[in-house]
Amino acid sequence: GAVVSQHPSWVICKSGTSVKIECRSLDFQATTMFWYRQFPKQSLMLMATSNEGSKATYEQGVEKDKFLINHASLTLSTLTVTSAHPEDSSFYICSARGSARDSSYEQYFGPGTRLTVT
Amino acid sequence: SQQGEEDPQALSIQEGENATMNCSYKTSINNLQWYRQNSGRGLVHLILIRSNEREKHSGRLRVTLDTSKKSSSLLITASRAADTASYFCATAGMDSSYKLIFGSGTRLLVRP
Repeated sequence: GAVVSQHPSWVICKSGTSVKIECRSLDFQATTMFWYRQFPKQSLMLMATSNEGSKATYEQGVEKDKFLINHASLTLSTLTVTSAHPEDSSFYICSARGSARDSSYEQYFGPGTRLTVT
Repeated sequence: SQQGEEDPQALSIQEGENATMNCSYKTSINNLQWYRQNSGRGLVHLILIRSNEREKHSGRLRVTLDTSKKSSSLLITASRAADTASYFCATAGMDSSYKLIFGSGTRLLVRP
């Protein structure tokens, strides 16, 4: 149980285009999803917290107009990188936690999406 | 922002030896978690220790927490080549956001 998928697993796009990454909880309802980015050989940096049905909360320094997050259902959150540039190339990872009644702090991570902007 | 640092940054040991990784953090926490990441993959949850706990075991893993020093350690006993991965600590704050802030990570190499 508690499986999180991401699609696509990797994507290459041209500079200036937009890319959408999907994060799905496959066997549980995720009231909260988190988006991270990870540069090579570095740690995960939290970008934003996404709650179903409400606007995402972005961490300091993360441009909300560039990284659009939508959490339209209890099993799906999307991250859209708008007008991507080479410096946006990174590994993007999502995670999810269970229902609002679940006080567990454990997060379930997706396998990640590697974005390369040329 | 990153909560804290882990040391060592990299660790290379022989199969069968024990591996110890340390994590320090800066603010009060609700709990601290350890995760493992194989190269280019997602994270796998290893163990969670609450702020009122001092030690926890899970199989070959032993985690300690010292809230007075704001530090934690992860011990992997009798290491195996398959333990080769990056290990991250992550802290959950006292608020209700459930956010995790990750440490800088330790890259562990277990030589067969």
